[in-house]
Amino acid sequence: GQQVMQIPQYQHVQEGEDFTTYCNSSTTLSNIQWYKQRPGGHPVFLIQLVKSGEVKKQKRLTFQFGEAKKNSSLHITATQTTDVGTYFCAGKARETSGSRLTFGEGTQLTVNP
Amino acid sequence: DAGITQSPRHKVTETGTPVTLRCHQTENHRYMYWYRQDPGHGLRLIHYSYGVKDTDKGEVSDGYSVSRSKTEDFLLTLESATSSQTSVYFCAIRAGSSYEQYFGPGTRLTVT
Repeated sequence: GQQVMQIPQYQHVQEGEDFTTYCNSSTTLSNIQWYKQRPGGHPVFLIQLVKSGEVKKQKRLTFQFGEAKKNSSLHITATQTTDVGTYFCAGKARETSGSRLTFGEGTQLTVNP
Repeated sequence: DAGITQSPRHKVTETGTPVTLRCHQTENHRYMYWYRQDPGHGLRLIHYSYGVKDTDKGEVSDGYSVSRSKTEDFLLTLESATSSQTSVYFCAIRAGSSYEQYFGPGTRLTVT
């Protein structure tokens, strides 16, 4: 079945440093989504990418979808303590019917003030 | 968030007992999902529903059943709970024509 792998599993940064998490799918995706989960909370939708090579920005966050639609990345510039949490990617495989998503294992980000 | 509630929020139960978790939504969304979240595994799909009485299995459906007799409610049942089913369970809905999902607050289940 479809697999979505995310690296790194953990990332510790000093406040102000940049952070990047990478997501790789075993199959071509029709779209990819990113979610953020604060400690003790539930996943919250951040963004969806659909087009090959698409780049979207939300303030300090930059999301990219690979040309082959099999990988994606999330980059945070100048991290803040409010960025703490686990970031998940989730993809829908092109050949999958319905609306199932496969989630990556997540990258847990800690930010030292 | 998207009018999703889950009950109970916390539950401790013994091995072998049946357990039912409830997900309730107020906005008439067609698609509903049940996930479990365990350290190192991210979110794994248990079952999902694409309408009243229409359900399908996810990647970790063994030991779980679901029912959806009304649009607003999606029930997850552990027929005979095992310690391996200790987890945090999240319900989610799919919003509109996009594939984005919105999650409930979660249920922390401990099976002793």
